[in-house]
Amino acid sequence: DAKTTQPNSMESNEEEPVHLPCNHSTISGTDYIHWYRQLPSQGPEYVIHGLTSNVNNRMASLAIAEDRKSSTLILHRATLRDAAVYYCIRGGIIFGKGTRLHILP
Amino acid sequence: NAGVMQNPRHLVRRRGQEARLRCSPMKGHSHVYWYRQLPEEGLKFMVYLQKENIIDESGMPKERFSAEFPKEGPSILRIQQVVRGDSAAYFCASSPLSANSPLHFGNGTRLTVT
Repeated sequence: DAKTTQPNSMESNEEEPVHLPCNHSTISGTDYIHWYRQLPSQGPEYVIHGLTSNVNNRMASLAIAEDRKSSTLILHRATLRDAAVYYCIRGGIIFGKGTRLHILP
Repeated sequence: NAGVMQNPRHLVRRRGQEARLRCSPMKGHSHVYWYRQLPEEGLKFMVYLQKENIIDESGMPKERFSAEFPKEGPSILRIQQVVRGDSAAYFCASSPLSANSPLHFGNGTRLTVT
């Protein structure tokens, strides 16, 4: 049981911001939230993780709700190379089915 | 600093043969995880190992599958008497610590059983 809920798929236009939501309503106080993405024919790639505060890195930003029951991965300016399956994981190693992100040129 | 190395990238076996998949974790990582992925599906956790110990094998099929991570050398996922349903991509990940450390994945071994 992945214990996270994500939309099956999303679409976005190239060069626009993308907000990928994730619900993790049963998260415990010590569980980190991790995001990974998987491009076709490759292994998953770490994107970002956080506990309570919003986080930024060169790839993306992570906005965590105050009650920690949901989070949003933000790609500030999507490119075609961002088309992938994005996985949100709470506190461990169990992956769900993720969100397949399509980028429209 | 080399990433997680998996070999072979592609492996073809006939039904009934054995498949051995190897995973060398990143330098300094002592935790290894194996996942299986069927086409168009998500990653299914199989087993979590630390050097010489199996920590969590809750996702491993009860028969024919085994995993090890010896003191020296790579981690091995072994599938005996393969069947067509074993055809999948098998991914290995490593991390330096256990809980809450990001996982670093290899590019997988694609097993085809004919």
